Amino acid sequence: TQLLEQSPQFLSIQEGENLTVYCNSSSVFSSLQWYRQEPGEGPVLLVTVVTGGEVKKLKRLTFQFGDARKDSSLHITAAQPGDTGLYLCAGAINNNAGNMLTFGGGTRLMVKP
Amino acid sequence: NAGVTQTPKFQVLKTGQSMTLQCAQDMNHNSMYWYRQDPGMGLRLIYYSASEGTTDKGEVPNGYNVSRLNKREFSLRLESAAPSQTSVYFCASSYAPQGYEQFFGPGTRLTVL
Repeated sequence: TQLLEQSPQFLSIQEGENLTVYCNSSSVFSSLQWYRQEPGEGPVLLVTVVTGGEVKKLKRLTFQFGDARKDSSLHITAAQPGDTGLYLCAGAINNNAGNMLTFGGGTRLMVKP
Repeated sequence: NAGVTQTPKFQVLKTGQSMTLQCAQDMNHNSMYWYRQDPGMGLRLIYYSASEGTTDKGEVPNGYNVSRLNKREFSLRLESAAPSQTSVYFCASSYAPQGYEQFFGPGTRLTVL
């Protein structure tokens, strides 16, 4: 069982549709990050949310951190083929060496033209 | 400015063989990480080095060893490869372990026969 559960695992939609990806846990995180990964490459950071209830917008992408800092969502408006990729959420949990990241299983998004 | 570089990009091993995956970063980051990525599992932390001179186990350390050679370089060694270690391996670095953005290399695709 993963600490961070992402849903859905796979999403195939048409260009112009809206979608939401969810990231849920029973643990409280000090911050939560969203990464996007393209085939053959490493993940790249999209956003970091820190405060419970925080909402951040990045063009057509809206990120929300739950009030209790246990969950997050990513909403994409009017999806485009360039949004295709693997979306990963990662929560920071404090341990002896600092805040280590634990990753969700990922949501693979395909946007068809 | 190359960011995080990894070698090799691809490798095929036979069960029982050993190999070392190399990673270097040129961003003067203090912390470095090794992850493995398997389908549906997201990224799982193998080992990390919060700062030069220190290394610690992550979520899945069995069968691996690491060396933080200097501030720039962090290597991952498989002493006796097993088919269960077939995966894509990513090295990452960050300014500090306290939930900062992690920068990832392009990955090494390893197959153990």
